[in-house]
Formats: sequence, C-alpha cells, structure tokens
Amino acid sequence: SYVLTQPPSVSVAPGQTARITCGGNNIGSKSVHWYQQKPGQAPVLVVYDDSDRPSGIPERFSGSNSGNTATLTISRVEAGDEADYYCQVWDSSSDHRWVFGGGTKLTVL
Amino acid sequence: EVQLLESGGGLVQPGGSLRLSCAASGFTFSSYAMSWVRQAPGKGLEWVSAISGSGGSTYYADSVKGRFTISRDNSKNTLYLQMNSLRAEDTAVYYCAKVAIVATIEDVAFDIWGQGTMVTVSS
Repeated sequence: SYVLTQPPSVSVAPGQTARITCGGNNIGSKSVHWYQQKPGQAPVLVVYDDSDRPSGIPERFSGSNSGNTATLTISRVEAGDEADYYCQVWDSSSDHRWVFGGGTKLTVL
Repeated sequence: EVQLLESGGGLVQPGGSLRLSCAASGFTFSSYAMSWVRQAPGKGLEWVSAISGSGGSTYYADSVKGRFTISRDNSKNTLYLQMNSLRAEDTAVYYCAKVAIVATIEDVAFDIWGQGTMVTVSS
C-alpha cells in the first residue's frame, strides 16, 4: 500500500515561514490535499489538488508537489496556525482508497 | 450552511456492534460521495470507508473490511456506518466527511467534516 511520510514536528517563530513536507513514491503524479486540525476540533481542508485553497483559507497557506515530495507552506506564521497538519492522497494502485500521512505538529515558538 | 452531525457513538464490549449516523444539511446530499474517517486517541487520521452519492459504490479500508458496512438514505440525508465484531483497536473518534466535488468518489478531497462521535471498545 502507498505510504505518506511526514515529519512529526516543525517549529517556527511568529512571522516566519513554515514548510511541512509529505513524502511518497512519485507523489508528484498524485493530487495532494492538506488538512489542519486543532486540538479537540475536526480537520479543516486548507489546500486541495496540490496548491488550491478553499474559500476562506488565507493566502498565507500554499502548496506544491513535485517528484517524491509535496510541501505545505505557511507564510507569516501566526500563533493561531499552531495545529496538526495532515497530507492525503488517493491511492488507485491498491483497491482504491484514501491515504493520510502520519501528521505534523506545527509549533509556533 | 453546510453541516454534518454524527451520532451513535458510545461504549461497547469487544465483539459487539454499533451503528453510527451522520445527518447532513445545507447541500444536495445525494449528489456527493461521503466518507468515514477515524482517529484513535492521540493518533493520526485513518480513512475507514466511502460511498458514492447513489450508494452503488462502496470502498473500505483493509482494517475494517468484512466487519463494517457503509450505507446511506438519501431520502433522510443521512449516512450510516454499521460496525460489527468490534475490537479494542477500533476505539476512536469517527468523523463523517463530504467529498469536495459533485458526482465524484475517487481522487477528491474532503471539504466538510462533522465534529465526530467517540467509539470506545472495552470490557
């Protein structure tokens, strides 16, 4: 089955740029979606199809995807961005399923 | 406003059964595939199951195949997850989620999530 690998944690100071990676075999050929989850809350879609933003998501959130790595970039990080972030893809190679990465805890210092 | 509201969680003994419901509002329910995603305490997200808008296509994670059944009643705008032969490792918050694109079940993001319902499997 397809595996997505994320760093367990990323730390960044307010106002700086956070980059959260999601590694997978030839992930650049897939559409990657990103979710933000704050403690005790449901996940929220922040980037879909590699780099598109749902309405209401700040432009500070952006995404890219190439080769074996997809990246969620959060510019001008704010304290309110502290959360867990998960990447997701559709795996058509094995019995059709969605796959989530293990999640990355973003800490705003 | 688009909303999803899960119910039916609770404490159940190993080997027992439980049926979760997800009431949808604010969108044309029958036009969208729906999914269940779970999260064990302190762990990450795990996709569980999905169903097409008509209910004619269903997908399951290997971890629940043969034990869980997803279904929907479009006349009631409600999604269900029948869980049988429950195990301790099924303990999790269960979220229902709507896919982002009409009439699509594959290769699509989940744009709306419910608040989740907790299922605890323990003796």
